Amino acid sequence: DAGITQSPRHKVTETGTPVTLRCHQTENHRYMYWYRQDPGHGLRLIHYSYGVKDTDKGEVSDGYSVSRSKTEDFLLTLESATSSQTSVYFCAITTGQGLTDTQYFGPGTRLTVL
Amino acid sequence: SQKIEQNSEALNIQEGKTATLTCNYTNYSPAYLQWYRQDPGRGPVFLLLIRENEKEKRKERLKVTFDTTLKQSLFHITASQPADSATYLCALNFGNEKLTFGTGTRLTIIP
Repeated sequence: DAGITQSPRHKVTETGTPVTLRCHQTENHRYMYWYRQDPGHGLRLIHYSYGVKDTDKGEVSDGYSVSRSKTEDFLLTLESATSSQTSVYFCAITTGQGLTDTQYFGPGTRLTVL
Repeated sequence: SQKIEQNSEALNIQEGKTATLTCNYTNYSPAYLQWYRQDPGRGPVFLLLIRENEKEKRKERLKVTFDTTLKQSLFHITASQPADSATYLCALNFGNEKLTFGTGTRLTIIP
């Protein structure tokens, strides 16, 4: 499973509250990704990181921010959660230099925004 | 923008038959294409990768084809088993660090 953990695994929160999801890897891989998965939309990229303090936006980045202050942790923050952000969030890593590598996914975080 | 379609949301196949899943894309051809399997409540798991200059790849009972003229990849599972029941996702890379995923096909193998 490439040593990827996500926390929390489940969270219920209220609209307007800040939420931070954590992705942790144990093997110092350079590339890390955050996706959300919704019925009818599949997996959509939110943000990704190609090194400490190096991040870039994906296709659905509005309302989300990320930080990577050390190689092993990639944090996803919802500054003010909305009901449309109810989803399952997956973190992923690649084990090489990014371009042609497969992705290894964490177990997911199920977030419900009431 | 790039659009990826997987043939159907759900597919039921009799055990022992070959299951064939389709991934179609529009516009630009990807540098390579991957197939993943996802079980309920779990993250996707990589199965196979095929590059734009390859026609076919095999791994045990799995076979992937890639036709850049038709803009299509086919994913075959031969001698299907109930344990093959899962959602299968195709993912395309267009020459950068990102993958674009299809919405998936939920495959059920009926004993």
